[in-house]
Amino acid sequence: DAKTTQPNSMESNEEEPVHLPCNHSTISGTDYIHWYRQLPSQGPEYVIHGLTSNVNNRMASLAIAEDRKSSTLILHRATLRDAAVYYCILRANNNDMRFGAGTRLTVKP
Amino acid sequence: ETGVTQTPRHLVMGMTNKKSLKCEQHLGHNAMYWYKQSAKKPLELMFVYNFKEQTENNSVPSRFSPECPNSSHLFLHLHTLQPEDSALYLCASSVRLSNEQFFGPGTRLTVL
Repeated sequence: DAKTTQPNSMESNEEEPVHLPCNHSTISGTDYIHWYRQLPSQGPEYVIHGLTSNVNNRMASLAIAEDRKSSTLILHRATLRDAAVYYCILRANNNDMRFGAGTRLTVKP
Repeated sequence: ETGVTQTPRHLVMGMTNKKSLKCEQHLGHNAMYWYKQSAKKPLELMFVYNFKEQTENNSVPSRFSPECPNSSHLFLHLHTLQPEDSALYLCASSVRLSNEQFFGPGTRLTVL
């Protein structure tokens, strides 16, 4: 399975943008890049996913490098409720999701 | 009720007990999953069901026995567990195997 590498933790100030990086240098052409997050005492929730082009939704934006070996999840204005563990996952069609350790985001008021 | 629900939310059991975890989804999804989340370890996929058929058993010990009677319900039967099986057990569902997964809140299991 292609592997992802994320920083263990990051800090952000409330109402400021947050850029969460993910390296996936062994990504294959059929791997989609998925992001999930897990808030305290909850199950993970889907955030966004993409293949080659940058993606935007109501929760976040996903910027994918041209060579697809890295990507960045962008939260445009962090709130205290965005404090969570963020997981970057590579997934080919119909393949299982393999979670790593993720990045623990702390948002300071 | 909408979304993915799991019962019980908390369970304490002895090593000789038999118990079952229940997961239910009212989203019309066809795939359901069991994950295990131990302290200080990443989420581990345990079982995958697609249209009630098991498509993956991720080398899970036989003391964990899944059951999927229909696409809306998923059970995890537990017997003769070990203390190291204490963890958060998460259920998820998706429309198809390739779609985004929706997770339940989990069952916090403690084995004494």
